[in-house]
Amino acid sequence: DAKTTQPNSMESNEEEPVHLPCNHSTISGTDYIHWYRQLPSQGPEYVIHGLTSNVNNRMASLAIAEDRKSSTLILHRATLRDAAVYYCILRDSNSGNTPLVFGKGTRLSVIA
Amino acid sequence: DTEVTQTPKHLVMGMTNKKSLKCEQHMGHRAMYWYKQKAKKPPELMFVYSYEKLSINESVPSRFSPECPNSSLLNLHLHALQPEDSALYLCASSQRSGAYNEQFFGPGTRLTVL
Repeated sequence: DAKTTQPNSMESNEEEPVHLPCNHSTISGTDYIHWYRQLPSQGPEYVIHGLTSNVNNRMASLAIAEDRKSSTLILHRATLRDAAVYYCILRDSNSGNTPLVFGKGTRLSVIA
Repeated sequence: DTEVTQTPKHLVMGMTNKKSLKCEQHMGHRAMYWYKQKAKKPPELMFVYSYEKLSINESVPSRFSPECPNSSLLNLHLHALQPEDSALYLCASSQRSGAYNEQFFGPGTRLTVL
């Protein structure tokens, strides 16, 4: 599986935007970029995914670099509930079976 | 119903016990997964079922035995576990097992082996 690199931790003030970076310099053309997050004492939850174009949904935006070697998850207004570990994961669309392979992720703290 | 349920929430067992973890979803998903998560570590994949057939076993010891009796249910049978097997066991499901499918996770079963 292609690898991703994320900062260990980040901090944000409440109601401010948060940009969570992910480097994936060995990404292949068929790899989807997925983001999941895990709130304290809960199972992971899906946030967003994309292939080449930027994506928006009700939770976040995903900005993908033109060369696809990095991406950024954007939370537009952080709330205390967004404090979690955020995982950036690559999944190969060429394979019919592509489970999630979690890296260490970024622990996001949100300060009131 | 977009929920994956897991029972029990907590389980304490001795090394000679036999127990089972259960996972259920009613979203019509045909792929189901077991993950293991140690404290302060990311989840690690154990097994993948696709259309009720085991498709991935990540070299998990035989003391963990998965079972998928139908498309809604996934069990994990535990026998002769070791204290180092204490962890949070997470179940997940997705429509299919391909790369563009979102996985839905349950809250997990916290297992303690004495």
